[in-house]
Amino acid sequence: DGGITQSPKYLFRKEGQNVTLSCEQNLNHDAMYWYRQDPGQGLRLIYYSQIVNDFQKGDIAEGYSVSREKKESFPLTVTSAQKNPTAFYLCASSYRGGRSNQPQHFGDGTRLSIL
Amino acid sequence: AQSVTQLDSQVPVFEEAPVELRCNYSSSVSVYLFWYVQYPNQGLQLLLKYLSGSTLVKGINGFEAEFNKSQTSFHLRKPSVHISDTAEYFCAVKAYSGGYQKVTFGTGTKLQVIP
Repeated sequence: DGGITQSPKYLFRKEGQNVTLSCEQNLNHDAMYWYRQDPGQGLRLIYYSQIVNDFQKGDIAEGYSVSREKKESFPLTVTSAQKNPTAFYLCASSYRGGRSNQPQHFGDGTRLSIL
Repeated sequence: AQSVTQLDSQVPVFEEAPVELRCNYSSSVSVYLFWYVQYPNQGLQLLLKYLSGSTLVKGINGFEAEFNKSQTSFHLRKPSVHISDTAEYFCAVKAYSGGYQKVTFGTGTKLQVIP
């Protein structure tokens, strides 16, 4: 079955450390997204990518970085510059172009905590 | 710019009673509308979507929603809830913005079904 795989499910970060969250999809979607979820705030867009080797900042990109070297993969790095990284991170993907009205599909998330 | 408002952060309801979760949106362009459900420590699952056509849309698990363009609303309803419906529900709007189909999420409504 096609879907989105996020790993790890739980991740702990030490002060001053960069950590990378993995997101892989086999849905043949062009567009991929990273969201941050905090209690009571819904989902906030960190970065998105519509095609390989191209990505744009979302609403809260500071302290995060991404790459899109393959269509299937969109890893997110939480850098030491992100002072409040504790949150639930969700990766999503969707079609673009003529099917861009279709909904996003989501992974099961990664919960990041500070040690 | 587009926005989504879910006025109720929590909705308690007795088992087998009906429920309505409210969603209002604002946008200067045509929109596509979605409802997602999230169970603890999981990603978002699509409940239903409105793309065009009939304003009453039916989704999974017995849920339905009605698109009201004049009131810019997309309320979610279920005639009889089950314990298993206890979860958080997110309304989302997709509209063309800044060169791509941007998705904006509401802050979520936690549905608690009481036995």
